[in-house]
Amino acid sequence: EIVMTQSPATLSVSPGERATLSCRASQSVSSNLAWYQQKPGQAPRLLIYGASTRATGIPARFSGSGSGTEFTLTISSLQSEDFAVYYCQQYDKWPVTFGPGTKVDI
Amino acid sequence: EVQLLESGGNLVQPGGSLRLSCAASGFTFGSYAMSWVRQAPGKGLEWVSGISGGGGSTVYADSVKGRFTISRDNFKKMVYLQMNSLRGEDTAVYYCAKVGSAQYYFDFWGQGTLVTVSS
Repeated sequence: EIVMTQSPATLSVSPGERATLSCRASQSVSSNLAWYQQKPGQAPRLLIYGASTRATGIPARFSGSGSGTEFTLTISSLQSEDFAVYYCQQYDKWPVTFGPGTKVDI
Repeated sequence: EVQLLESGGNLVQPGGSLRLSCAASGFTFGSYAMSWVRQAPGKGLEWVSGISGGGGSTVYADSVKGRFTISRDNFKKMVYLQMNSLRGEDTAVYYCAKVGSAQYYFDFWGQGTLVTVSS
């Protein structure tokens, strides 16, 4: 199966700063990559699919890039509600697999 | 508005069985694949199983293959996960998730139901 890794495990940033999260696949997944946000006690929420397409209702400060094995989620100016855990997921090959997550905290 | 509401989570002994349910609303249910994704306490996300829109095709993670069965009732707009031979490592919050239109990402999630396997 394709193994997804994410770095860093924890990212400490201040409100208003830019955050850059990385996701790597053990083999090419083309652009079949999604990003999710999960806050404590809540279900995950889809942010990005197709590596760079924002899901409905997702603010423009969230952007995704990359293809093949290297992907990036950028939050241009962190808001208080953005502090959460972020997961990447590949859906290029079965089984679909998730990365271990990056926690963005203050 | 898409809504997914899971139920059926409980405390069960190792080797026992449990059936989870997911009630869907707010979209053309039979047109979309559905999946179950789980999250062990304090851990990340693990895809468990999926079923096609018509119900004729199912897929499973190796960790649950032969023990879990996914099914759906398109008239009732329900998805089910029958879990047998439960193990401690099956302890998790189980989320019902709607699959995106053409690709296997998950665009809507339920709030989850907790399954605890312990004696």
